[in-house]
Parts: sequence; C-alpha cells; structure tokens
Amino acid sequence: QKEVEQNSGPLSVPEGAIASLNCTYSDRGSQSFFWYRQYSGKSPELIMFIYSNGDKEDGRFTAQLNKASQYVSLLIRDSQPSDSATYLCAVVGSNFGNEKLTFGTGTRLTIIP
Amino acid sequence: DVKVTQSSRYLVKRTGEKVFLECVQDMDHENMFWYRQDPGLGLRLIYFSYDVKMKEKGDIPEGYSVSREKKERFSLILESASTNQTSMYLCASTETHSLSERNEQFFGPGTRLTVL
Repeated sequence: QKEVEQNSGPLSVPEGAIASLNCTYSDRGSQSFFWYRQYSGKSPELIMFIYSNGDKEDGRFTAQLNKASQYVSLLIRDSQPSDSATYLCAVVGSNFGNEKLTFGTGTRLTIIP
Repeated sequence: DVKVTQSSRYLVKRTGEKVFLECVQDMDHENMFWYRQDPGLGLRLIYFSYDVKMKEKGDIPEGYSVSREKKERFSLILESASTNQTSMYLCASTETHSLSERNEQFFGPGTRLTVL
C-alpha cells in the first residue's frame, strides 16, 4: 500500500461546477496535510494546508480532513479553466521530526469551458 | 517572498559524467530537500538536510549524494550519471517548526536533466 494515494485521473469537471479531489494516507500518526497545485512544466505551489479534523475554507477552496478515516479532500467551487492542473496531496508523517513530506502521485484536473 | 533558485532549467549530460545540481534559497530556511519527479511516480524524496553539513537519506538515495556547506545552498551530485536518472529534479526548502502545524515547502523551478 502506498503511503499517500490519489486517483491519478484525469478528472474532468464543467466550468462553474464543484471539483472534488480525494487523498488517503496510511500513517495514522500523520499530523499535517497539504494540497499543492502544479501547472504543466511548473513547480508545485501550496494552495491549502490543514491539521485539524473538519473543514478549512479559503476562497473557492475547501480542505476536509478526517483522521479517523485517514482521508483528506480538496473541494474547488465555481471551477475555472485556470484551475486545470495536477493537484498533489502531501502528508507530514510521524516517522521523522516535522520536516519530511510524503507526496501522492497527483490527480490531473481538467476544467471544461 | 521566499525564493528558491536552481542553477539550470535544462541540462543534458552523457552516461558516466559527474553532474552537479545546485539549489539556493534566500529565506534562511533550515531544511532543504531534493526530489525527482517522474510521470506516474510523483515526487520522490532523494535526500534532505536539516542543518549545514547534515544530511539524511530520503526514499531513493541510490546513485546520488548531496552537499550542504552553507545554509542557503544544497547541492545534489550524480557521481556517474545513468540514463535512468533522466528526470525533473526539484529542490525545496522550509523552516523548522517545533510543532508540525505548518510545514510549507517552497519549491524551485526545477531542472530537467536528460542523460544520454
């Protein structure tokens, strides 16, 4: 079992709809969870982080964390063509300090105009 | 703004060559990381460093070494490049936090290395 799993997609969503991206992780002791966006040919950029159970909202983005079920999700409301990118889930595990991130393989999202 | 720079955007080397990839960050971050990114495999950690002259192996250290002589600079070395090391290499840095509440990694632009 991979440490961090994501559906690779591609996930196609109509413009204006809600895009839902999911991520599961295997280390029950994981503390912090991150969503990065990566445009083609570019490096990842952080869009959300969450460390408490529940929802965290930032503009059109909502991160949801359920530690008991070991999943974290990202919702993008009112999807725009500029949201088309690969979304990487990353987790800070419990095995070394607080610095090491483990990444999922990413979900490719396409917003259809 | 945090800035992480990498010495080359594109690099072409031959099998057996020694390759140096340089990374510099300007925010006085303690921690620096080297990843490679391959289609279908995602970002995989090669090495990281949490202090000058300190290094830790990541998930795929074989065939690589690193050097951190100064806090702002972290170098990745391919002692004898092989074709299976053709990849996108990404450097990142982050501060150290006593609690793992926020651990944002800032990435450089990446170096696309091709080994012929």
